[in-house]
Amino acid sequence: EADIYQTPRYLVIGTGKKITLECSQTMGHDKMYWYQQDPGMELHLIHYSYGVNSTEKGDLSSESTVSRIRTEHFPLTLESARPSHTSQYLCASSEPGISGNTIYFGEGSWLTVV
Amino acid sequence: GQQVMQIPQYQHVQEGEDFTTYCNSSTTLSNIQWYKQRPGGHPVFLIQLVKSGEVKKQKRLTFQFGEAKKNSSLHITATQTTDVGTYFCAGPGMADKLIFGTGTRLQVFP
Repeated sequence: EADIYQTPRYLVIGTGKKITLECSQTMGHDKMYWYQQDPGMELHLIHYSYGVNSTEKGDLSSESTVSRIRTEHFPLTLESARPSHTSQYLCASSEPGISGNTIYFGEGSWLTVV
Repeated sequence: GQQVMQIPQYQHVQEGEDFTTYCNSSTTLSNIQWYKQRPGGHPVFLIQLVKSGEVKKQKRLTFQFGEAKKNSSLHITATQTTDVGTYFCAGPGMADKLIFGTGTRLQVFP
């Protein structure tokens, strides 16, 4: 298993609140990702980063924002949470493989907005 | 854009039966990866295939990469309840991102 940590694991917050999901990895990986996944459904890439000061939007539009000030840290922020943001958020990092990147996932942050 | 589809979406089997999920890409892939996600868990890397026609085995799991490198399959022989979960294939997309398939959810009844 990889060393990638997410906090909080579970969170219930009210509509309009600001929330930051933390993600840290100790493997020194340059590439990091945020995926959004509803239970039993597809994985949707919402943000990724190639390294420090690099952030890009993913394939699924998201109202969240990310930052990458340090290699090991890739937090995701929702300025004003809405019930439609209720989902599981998975942070991941990757190392170059033989011909591609192998992705290591954190255990996920389950967000419920009421 | 590039798409990676998997069939079936769901599969229910009796313990001991075999199971196969198929992965199809709209574009040729340099490699294919497979991940398993247990219910309530996170995806975990299983294997990577690189060569055309490559076949790899992990105990009861057999992975195959198509000759045209646009499709792949995962076959589980004699399923066990521990095989329950969602299996995702994934291939490299534009900008070095990994494109995940739609996933196949496997349920095994004892």
